[in-house]
Amino acid sequence: QVLLHESGPGLVKPSETLSLTCTVSGGSISSYYWSWIRQPPGKGLEYIGYMYYSGSTNYNPSLKSRVTISIDTSKNQFSLKLRSVTAADTAVYYCARGDPEAAALDYWGQGTLVTVSS
Amino acid sequence: DIVMTQSPLSLPVTPGEPASISCRSSQSLLHNNGYNYLDWFLQKPGQSPLLLIYLGSNRASGVPDRFSGSGSGTDFTLKISRVEAEDVGVYYCMQTLQTFTFGPGTKVDIK
Repeated sequence: QVLLHESGPGLVKPSETLSLTCTVSGGSISSYYWSWIRQPPGKGLEYIGYMYYSGSTNYNPSLKSRVTISIDTSKNQFSLKLRSVTAADTAVYYCARGDPEAAALDYWGQGTLVTVSS
Repeated sequence: DIVMTQSPLSLPVTPGEPASISCRSSQSLLHNNGYNYLDWFLQKPGQSPLLLIYLGSNRASGVPDRFSGSGSGTDFTLKISRVEAEDVGVYYCMQTLQTFTFGPGTKVDIK
């Protein structure tokens, strides 16, 4: 059973950098792509981006200038950094595994709420 | 960007009755490999999204066979043959042909 777990600060100040880590257990980080998705309170899902295990990335154009996704294969973890945050970045952040053969996000973490506030 | 729309946005359902949700994309999701790059998710209250259907019509592992996906190109449908009380939540379609985008969601609840 593949499990994903997000971790990181629940409160970030405006203009600072939001940093989250997703730990993958029950499976290897190889051969898949690793994604971040967010959901503002009471709203729908927004794709942030993914990194393929080989290192290639794909980002939402609306966030691309502020986002970096990276993978640490030695720890079976991947990370999200979102720079220069504002209150509009307040959301539940989900990490998810992408299966390239199914072209689908097949396993998701439980999500973590990040609030941007001074 | 490919824009996704869904209808209806709210769907009251009766247990035991069928239900259907429509999803449309601003560009064709049909790849030249013959697959439609369209997935369906269910987000139950307080939970993470759960993959139901991938590549337009393939049920994900463990998904009951009352759920089915159909369509091609720009028009897709998720059908529930007989709604159960546990099927309430918000249903999202998502395209994975280009940089991923989600539909706005359809909230399904019991009448």
